[in-house]
Amino acid sequence: DIQMTQSPSSLSASVGDRVTITCRASQNIDNYLNWYQQKPGKAPKLLIYAASSLQSGVPSRFSGSGSGTDFTLTFSSLQPEDSATYYCQQTYSTLYTFGQGTKLEIK
Amino acid sequence: EVQLVESGGGLVQPGGSLRLSCAASGFTFSNYSMNWVRQAPGKGLEWVSYISSSSTIIYYADSVKGRFTISRDNAKNSLYLQMNSLRAEDTAVYYCARDRAVTGPDYYYFYMDVWGKGTTVTVSS
Repeated sequence: DIQMTQSPSSLSASVGDRVTITCRASQNIDNYLNWYQQKPGKAPKLLIYAASSLQSGVPSRFSGSGSGTDFTLTFSSLQPEDSATYYCQQTYSTLYTFGQGTKLEIK
Repeated sequence: EVQLVESGGGLVQPGGSLRLSCAASGFTFSNYSMNWVRQAPGKGLEWVSYISSSSTIIYYADSVKGRFTISRDNAKNSLYLQMNSLRAEDTAVYYCARDRAVTGPDYYYFYMDVWGKGTTVTVSS
């Protein structure tokens, strides 16, 4: 199976900060990488698909980049409502796998 | 409104069985592949199973292969997960999620764009 490793596992940042979360795949997955946001007690929400395509309705302060094994999710200017856990997911393999999650706290 | 609603969760003893359902509405269910994803208490997301729109292609995570069976009834707009030989480690919130694909000449990007609110399965004696 393809393993997905996110870093950091948690972070704390302030409103207005530029923040980057990293996801690394155990093998090449081209651009088959998605990002999800999950708030406590809620279902995950798709943010980014195909590494850099913004899902309809998602604010433009979210952006994704990367290819191969290394990917990033960037918040251009952090907002209070961005407090959540973020997961990357690979769909290169038919056995989809998620990263372990990055918990983002707003100071 | 596009919606997925899971049901069928509950408390079951180890070794027992449970059948989860996911009712779809607001879109043409038969056109989409579907997934089950679970989340153990305080843990991350784990993909469980995938079924294609016509049920011809099915995949399972190694952790559930041989114990869980995914199926669908397009006439009823419903997705199912039959869970047998349940273990304590199967305790989780189970989500159904719609599978989307963006296709091109040499790529086929998959992602999950609609999720239900989940149903809770607790395996305990």
